[in-house]
Amino acid sequence: NAGVTQTPKFQVLKTGQSMTLQCAQDMNHNSMYWYRQDPGMGLRLIYYSASEGTTDKGEVPNGYNVSRLNKREFSLRLESAAPSQTSVYFCASSVTGQMIRDEQFFGPGTRLTVL
Amino acid sequence: GNSVTQMEGPVTLSEEAFLTINCTYTATGYPSLFWYVQYPGEGLQLLLKATKADDKGSNKGFEATYRKETTSFHLEKGSVQVSDSAVYFCALRKSSNTGKLIFGQGTTLQVKP
Repeated sequence: NAGVTQTPKFQVLKTGQSMTLQCAQDMNHNSMYWYRQDPGMGLRLIYYSASEGTTDKGEVPNGYNVSRLNKREFSLRLESAAPSQTSVYFCASSVTGQMIRDEQFFGPGTRLTVL
Repeated sequence: GNSVTQMEGPVTLSEEAFLTINCTYTATGYPSLFWYVQYPGEGLQLLLKATKADDKGSNKGFEATYRKETTSFHLEKGSVQVSDSAVYFCALRKSSNTGKLIFGQGTTLQVKP
């Protein structure tokens, strides 16, 4: 099993450009999450999907959209990138979003720079 | 609101030294508590967890005890190795929400030979 995979690993954009970050998991998990990691701020939740067909905003959703394409895939889209979106983006998944004991499994991250 | 506060880093230790990374939390109800580790260039991995008061999580020589009276979940290891150099994140997960984790800011540990 590959676990949680993310593409691309690195990306440089110019202000105003758009792009989609891809995430896939092969663990048959129901819930998936997108976080951003900024220096000194830990990880902050952007959007999550408790189950296929549902998405909800997290702590910092502005400037982003998501699509839960199917049970395996959860993409994050930046419609018009801004320098403030320079960050490392992590996708994660868990069996369900309802059990507090559930572990979240993380992908390797995408390092995005917006010039 | 709910929050997690960790001691600021970087923490620099010599090999075989004792490690403590402090973590305190604010939350209503009875959250689960987690320590995640991030090695250079990699994603986060669960290190250990505790789901109720007085539980002790342990893994790879690391331990942390869920102390509700002091709202703390400090990470400890008796003898660190160079390979433990990483960023450590404390996190909580509320009992009433849909699986969202709230992270501390992370503490960088550097272990020198």
